[in-house]
Amino acid sequence: DARVTQTPRHKVTEMGQEVTMRCQPILGHNTVFWYRQTMMQGLELLAYFRNRAPLDDSGMPKDRFSAEMPDATLATLKIQPSEPRDSAVYFCASGFKGTEAFFGQGTRLTVV
Amino acid sequence: AQTVTQSQPEMSVQEAETVTLSCTYDTSESDYYLFWYKQPPSRQMILVIRQEAYKQQNATENRFSVNFQKAAKSFSLKISDSQLGDAAMYFCAYRSASYGGATNKLIFGTGTLLAVQP
Repeated sequence: DARVTQTPRHKVTEMGQEVTMRCQPILGHNTVFWYRQTMMQGLELLAYFRNRAPLDDSGMPKDRFSAEMPDATLATLKIQPSEPRDSAVYFCASGFKGTEAFFGQGTRLTVV
Repeated sequence: AQTVTQSQPEMSVQEAETVTLSCTYDTSESDYYLFWYKQPPSRQMILVIRQEAYKQQNATENRFSVNFQKAAKSFSLKISDSQLGDAAMYFCAYRSASYGGATNKLIFGTGTLLAVQP
């Protein structure tokens, strides 16, 4: 049963700490998205990769956020330093070419 | 830039009844995909149904069907015989079929929260 795997599922951290979220896309998928979901802003696209290359990260705060794909089986989203306003659910999704994307279960991040 | 609009923040339906969720979008492209995703309280995003813009026939998946009006740029979701498990947030999404650049991202509406009354 192919699925997108995200770790950790939950993360509580103190303000100023580095946070790393990981995503394993579905094998064979060549596009990866990172979304952030909050009550106020809904689903926001943070980054979009195709064949491991970043195509669009215009929605990502560049001063503290970074996204990478070290290899085809791993995508990472880092926040350094974290702030309380970063508290949200972060989703990774993968897909193939221009069709639908399949989502992981999300990482619920709480920054205190 | 493409946009997706869901004008109904909340909807309610009686169990076993039918409900329609609305979605409109704006694009200058002719070839694209449209999707409905469901997000239950577990927060898992689940693909409900997909429509290719080049297909005139409306997509159907069991109790879920769409009314795709390309000229009007409208893409509504009909849920028949509503069940308690259908209670969730429903998101409409757009994706260009063009595979040449950064415009190929998945764009979401703001969602419609569906309550199902027993």
